[in-house]
Amino acid sequence: EAQVTQNPRYLITVTGKKLTVTCSQNMNHEYMSWYRQDPGLGLRQIYYSMNVEVTDKGDVPEGYKVSRKEKRNFPLILESPSPNQTSLYFCASSVAPSSYEQYFGPGTRLTVT
Amino acid sequence: AQTVTQSQPEMSVQEAETVTLSCTYDTSESDYYLFWYKQPPSRQMILVIRQEAYKQQNATENRFSVNFQKAAKSFSLKISDSQLGDAAMYFCAYRGYTQGGSEKLVFGKGTKLTVNP
Repeated sequence: EAQVTQNPRYLITVTGKKLTVTCSQNMNHEYMSWYRQDPGLGLRQIYYSMNVEVTDKGDVPEGYKVSRKEKRNFPLILESPSPNQTSLYFCASSVAPSSYEQYFGPGTRLTVT
Repeated sequence: AQTVTQSQPEMSVQEAETVTLSCTYDTSESDYYLFWYKQPPSRQMILVIRQEAYKQQNATENRFSVNFQKAAKSFSLKISDSQLGDAAMYFCAYRGYTQGGSEKLVFGKGTKLTVNP
């Protein structure tokens, strides 16, 4: 089954404790993105990757890091999480640029206390 | 600036009736893509419909159709014969570009649709 998986689905952590949210897709997609969703703000892009070792900042990259060492994986790293990073996070992938459908993962609910 | 505006934070419709969700966007491009995504309570993002700006014909997918007005930069979603399963948050999205020139989706803030039995 073609899918994008994220782990963990839920995470409660404390300020400053480094964490990684994993994202993996099995569709051989070149393009992958991370978004955060906040009430009243919709989804905003954090980072974007066009291929292995090629990444680009989105609208809200501060406080986040990404890496793309393998085509299928695109982890999101929060090296020192803060409460304002409490949000719902989505990973997405597509076979081509955003002119085509982006396939979204199930989301990760992160709470930073 | 590439922005997407959904002016209706919440909408409601009676089951079996028709409802239209509004979306406007701002762009200087002539060729672009627009999308409607549905997010049910499960939080999964599901593509509902896609429109290419160069196509004059409005896209349709079963009970879902759009009214694409390029000059007005308007992209509304019409849901016919509404069903209880249509209750969800609906997001309008535009294919824009990052500062680095890469493509990205720019989302509106969403419209929460309630379907009343």
